[in-house]
Amino acid sequence: QKEVEQDPGPLSVPEGAIVSLNCTYSNSAFQYFMWYRQYSRKGPELLMYTYSSGNKEDGRFTAQVDKSSKYISLFIRDSQPSDSATYLCAMVGPTGTASKLTFGTGTRLQVTL
Amino acid sequence: DVKVTQSSRYLVKRTGEKVFLECVQDMDHENMFWYRQDPGLGLRLIYFSYDVKMKEKGDIPEGYSVSREKKERFSLILESASTNQTSMYLCASSSTPNSPLHFGNGTRLTVT
Repeated sequence: QKEVEQDPGPLSVPEGAIVSLNCTYSNSAFQYFMWYRQYSRKGPELLMYTYSSGNKEDGRFTAQVDKSSKYISLFIRDSQPSDSATYLCAMVGPTGTASKLTFGTGTRLQVTL
Repeated sequence: DVKVTQSSRYLVKRTGEKVFLECVQDMDHENMFWYRQDPGLGLRLIYFSYDVKMKEKGDIPEGYSVSREKKERFSLILESASTNQTSMYLCASSSTPNSPLHFGNGTRLTVT
């Protein structure tokens, strides 16, 4: 079993929809959680960075962490075609050291007109 | 804005060739990383470096080596390329070991 599980998709939604992207994990030591967005033929770019449980909002994006369920989510409100990309979750333990980051395999999102 | 530049977007090499993948960052970051990205496997760390001349093995170092002679430059070396090293290679940097990563746009390497 992988430490981090992420549905590969593709997830196809109409423009304006609310999108929910999710990751589950098995390592209870994870404390820092990230979401990266990766456009086709580009490198991943950091979208959200959260510590421990709770919600964090940034514009149309909300990151949610539920440590008791070992479950993290990224919500995108009013989705746009420009949100079409692969979304990677990543997480790391209490040291937060980047060399210990564990990535999900990514969910491909397509927002249609 | 941090810029991480990988010198080649696409490379095609033959089995047994020695391959150099170059990465340069312009933000004076101490920490640099090499990952490979494969469908269904996600990103896997090959090597990383927290300082010039310093290198540490990641999760899958076999068949690879690295060089960091200058702070801004981190090279990945495939000593003798094999077909199972066909992959997308991503370089990243960060200002501290705990900071989020900034990625380059990747080099898609095909070994035939």
